[in-house]
Amino acid sequence: QQQVKQSPQSLIVQKGGISIINCAYENTAFDYFPWYQQFPGKGPALLIAIRPDVSEKKEGRFTISFNKSAKQFSLHIMDSQPGDSATYFCAASEDSNYQLIWGAGTKLIIKP
Amino acid sequence: DTGVSQDPRHKITKRGQNVTFRCDPISEHNRLYWYRQTLGQGPEFLTYFQNEAQLEKSRLLSDRFSAERPKGSFSTLEIQRTEQGDSAMYLCASSLVNTLYEQYFGPGTRLTVT
Repeated sequence: QQQVKQSPQSLIVQKGGISIINCAYENTAFDYFPWYQQFPGKGPALLIAIRPDVSEKKEGRFTISFNKSAKQFSLHIMDSQPGDSATYFCAASEDSNYQLIWGAGTKLIIKP
Repeated sequence: DTGVSQDPRHKITKRGQNVTFRCDPISEHNRLYWYRQTLGQGPEFLTYFQNEAQLEKSRLLSDRFSAERPKGSFSTLEIQRTEQGDSAMYLCASSLVNTLYEQYFGPGTRLTVT
């Protein structure tokens, strides 16, 4: 019930391409879905987040798509750049405790 | 730098020793969280504070772990009688009272138990 399942585990994309990472959840009480970016040796950094009352949110080259009925959400990185190479985590939480439940992460490599 | 800070950044200790980590949140944030992250995994929630009150502890947090936030500002996480399985990155995050969902993370303390 508490899990967030993330795929793929790793992803290689050519520079300029679109990177897509997917997450699925079971707990219908989740109402906040952030994506975090983590570079080696650093803490996770909040990238973009969505609430279930919208189906899409865009910030620059980063877009979250949210499908409430399917209980899935995804991160799209447009015009992927080598500097985007990092590990990306999806997460979810509910307003009863704001505790983040994390996916296992996707290691993204952007090839120049 | 007004972000979340953690000290030390790295700690190597022998099995059985006690260790203590410190987290300084963003100054106006009243929520403070501790997470543990092992290699290749997402962070796992350990505990959180609202001001000085510890409101929730994960079942992952054994009796050897204790956390405090005595004045509602910085927090400490102590691990007693460390075990090799405690080796991980310990992450601290904080959030603002009006945007409790948006958790901002520190750089973490990497613990290695030999």
